Amino acid sequence: DADVTQTPRNRITKTGKRIMLECSQTKGHDRMYWYRQDPGLGLRLIYYSFDVKDINKGEISDGYSVSRQAQAKFSLSLESAIPNQTALYFCATRATGQGGTEAFFGQGTRLTVV
Amino acid sequence: AQTVTQSQPEMSVQEAETVTLSCTYDTSENNYYLFWYKQPPSRQMILVIRQEAYKQQNATENRFSVNFQKAAKSFSLKISDSQLGDTAMYFCAFIDTQGGSEKLVFGKGTKLTVNP
Repeated sequence: DADVTQTPRNRITKTGKRIMLECSQTKGHDRMYWYRQDPGLGLRLIYYSFDVKDINKGEISDGYSVSRQAQAKFSLSLESAIPNQTALYFCATRATGQGGTEAFFGQGTRLTVV
Repeated sequence: AQTVTQSQPEMSVQEAETVTLSCTYDTSENNYYLFWYKQPPSRQMILVIRQEAYKQQNATENRFSVNFQKAAKSFSLKISDSQLGDTAMYFCAFIDTQGGSEKLVFGKGTKLTVNP
């Protein structure tokens, strides 16, 4: 089983619908991140969390919200999806307090808003 | 704010040859870490190599090595003996460890194609 699991893997939704992308991890890391990947733009940070009570906005948080239900779970919500939120979304985790530790990524969720 | 710049959107190389991918970054911090990630068509993000800013020695992982120039804020990736399986998007990433932000910032990526 993957250490960082994202569900769903692919999703098509309609404009205006609310959608939630889920991420769970078995690595015991307390840092969790949500990124969005668009062609030519790389990965851009949406939100990140250091623990259940510490959630921070990234560079492109408008139109998104998150919930850290437990150390192992970090969900991303689009309250009212719009077509320009069509993208590949990644969840990632990192270990505590060691800046050199790499991020571990889920397999991504490809979201299409029509 | 920290930024990461990859100036080569696309590159190609012949199998068995060597290629270098460029990355520059901007930060006022002194302690930080740099990474290269590979994203093959499967879309999985895979760590290739990591460099700690306080270490002068360039990191090496098998056929992958970096040229880390701290003063120039440059962090290039060299792939030796390129293989078809190296075809992928490559992302340079930076994280600072001071001030508590711990944001992991990525460049826009370089699409590498290895030709037979």
